[in-house]
Amino acid sequence: GEDVEQSLFLSVREGDSSVINCTYTDSSSTYLYWYKQEPGAGLQLLTYIFSNMDMKQDQRLTVLLNKKDKHLSLRIADTQTGDSAIYFCAESNGYNFNKFYFGSGTKLNVKP
Amino acid sequence: DTGVSQDPRHKITKRGQNVTFRCDPISEHNRLYWYRQTLGQGPEFLTYFQNEAQLEKSRLLSDRFSAERPKGSFSTLEIQRTEQGDSAMYLCASSVDLAGQGARKGGEKLFFGSGTQLSVL
Repeated sequence: GEDVEQSLFLSVREGDSSVINCTYTDSSSTYLYWYKQEPGAGLQLLTYIFSNMDMKQDQRLTVLLNKKDKHLSLRIADTQTGDSAIYFCAESNGYNFNKFYFGSGTKLNVKP
Repeated sequence: DTGVSQDPRHKITKRGQNVTFRCDPISEHNRLYWYRQTLGQGPEFLTYFQNEAQLEKSRLLSDRFSAERPKGSFSTLEIQRTEQGDSAMYLCASSVDLAGQGARKGGEKLFFGSGTQLSVL
């Protein structure tokens, strides 16, 4: 199956920028997504990018996509303690239905 | 809109027992997914419904697992003869097509419930 890889942990200080990285193997991916999961909760979609885009900005979030290297990153500007959560990268190839493949998640710890 | 709700939140059962989980999706969503998530991992796809039709099942879904969505609204996931390896968080999601929001075809926005945590003793 398709592989989506992420680093397990990231620790930053409040106010700094966080960059969470993801690599994927499926070259037919059409959409790439970032989801956030807080303890005891389901996943919440943060942002997504279509595969023919290089960058997407949404308030404090910036998504960069390097399709050649199959590398996706999520930058969170001015990270707050409320951003502490697990962040999942996911991809789908949009055929008959959207079978999503998720990474293992990156646990972001924001220190005050 | 109260979001996707799942019931129960937690289930503890003995090995060999049957369990059933329920998912109520967002009312206007016709697509419904079941995922399984184990500790330290991302969600893994189990099965997918469009309206009442079950269109895809993962090979992870052994014949002890069955899912239904009888009227195209709520869905149930039943696990028969539970095994310790079935212990996981079972997540339900419903979705809206991103194309309906001006995006290109092929994208979906998944709305997840809070999950049912199953512990098999």
